[in-house]
Amino acid sequence: DADVTQTPRNRITKTGKRIMLECSQTKGHDRMYWYRQDPGLGLRLIYYSFDVKDINKGEISDGYSVSRQAQAKFSLSLESAIPNQTALYFCATSEQGVVGSDTQYFGPGTRLTVL
Amino acid sequence: GQQLNQSPQSMFIQEGEDVSMNCTSSSIFNTWLWYKQEPGEGPVLLIALYKAGELTSNGRLTAQFGITRKDSFLNISASIPSDVGIYFCAGQGGGSNYKLTFGKGTLLTVNP
Repeated sequence: DADVTQTPRNRITKTGKRIMLECSQTKGHDRMYWYRQDPGLGLRLIYYSFDVKDINKGEISDGYSVSRQAQAKFSLSLESAIPNQTALYFCATSEQGVVGSDTQYFGPGTRLTVL
Repeated sequence: GQQLNQSPQSMFIQEGEDVSMNCTSSSIFNTWLWYKQEPGEGPVLLIALYKAGELTSNGRLTAQFGITRKDSFLNISASIPSDVGIYFCAGQGGGSNYKLTFGKGTLLTVNP
């Protein structure tokens, strides 16, 4: 079984709809991240969380919100989707604290299309 | 903010050839990571480098952490068709600066 899972894998929605993308992990990591990937732009950080009480904005958080429901679950919401939020979305996890252990492990991604 | 320049953007090579790609940064990183992404999948970690000058191998892959801490390269020897994908470098500042800065990727195509 995959260590980091994302649901749904694909989603098509309309402008103005609220969308939630979910991420679960079985790695036991404290840190979780949400990225978006656009062609030619690489991966950009949206939000990150170091534990269930910690939420921080990344470089492109406008138009997004997150919820850390448990150590293993981190969801990303688009309150009112717009077409330029069409992208691949990745969840990642990493382990806290130990030197050299902040290596991030990625889920398989969610392809979101906003019409 | 930190900027990473990854080159080349794309490569078209014949099976059996060696490949080299690199990343340079405007600032220092404490960790360099190399990921590979295949179509429809998330990035998968290939090699992690934690010390300036470090040279690490993983099968046919070799990566080095530049001595200035501002650059890293990845070499793939004797390429095979399944090496096809997008390769990303990522740098991490270290300490409380856990965030990864990603390069824009190198698209590798291997012709059998």
